[in-house]
Amino acid sequence: EAGVAQSPRYKIIEKRQSVAFWCNPISGHATLYWYQQILGQGPKLLIQFQNNGVVDDSQLPKDRFSAERLKGVDSTLKIQPAKLEDSAVYLCASSPGGWDANTGELFFGEGSRLTVL
Amino acid sequence: GQQVMQIPQYQHVQEGEDFTTYCNSSTTLSNIQWYKQRPGGHPVFLIQLVKSGEVKKQKRLTFQFGEAKKNSSLHITATQTTDVGTYFCAGRGYQKVTFGTGTKLQVIP
Repeated sequence: EAGVAQSPRYKIIEKRQSVAFWCNPISGHATLYWYQQILGQGPKLLIQFQNNGVVDDSQLPKDRFSAERLKGVDSTLKIQPAKLEDSAVYLCASSPGGWDANTGELFFGEGSRLTVL
Repeated sequence: GQQVMQIPQYQHVQEGEDFTTYCNSSTTLSNIQWYKQRPGGHPVFLIQLVKSGEVKKQKRLTFQFGEAKKNSSLHITATQTTDVGTYFCAGRGYQKVTFGTGTKLQVIP
């Protein structure tokens, strides 16, 4: 079974530039998550989708971050304009259950490492 | 909002010693999951606990879920160098999964 695919693996940009990350979850997984992991910290949830609807985006900085999940499958996360503090690894994860399922491990992709100069 | 804290933040142990990390949530959880993240890697699922007071074992790893479903612990018996990494708990509350702050384990051969 193919895992969660993410691209690009690495990206270096200057502040105020824009960047986009792509995620393809495991086939059939209803729930998709984007997490931001700053070095030395735990993953912080940015946005959670169930199918193509947003379940939680309370911690997404909406003035600069946006995300969408096309047709309930692939997802993109965009940052525009980037700030120095956005330097982090952006992890995409998927799980088979819906948000209200009391089960469902998260399967993570390899992550996209962003460096903002 | 829901907050999940872990202690200690770092732990260095001699190979063969035991290790324990503790996880505390500000709110009652429906379940708790544990993940391991190797240096440079991504979190990998270890286990899920659902019931109050539940205890599960995986070889040298023992996981506990508190009676009030607000805390949990992971205990590793006789650590090995392959146990190196950061261990995260992740609490599932209403609609979301919140990761803890993590405990970084270093094992000295």
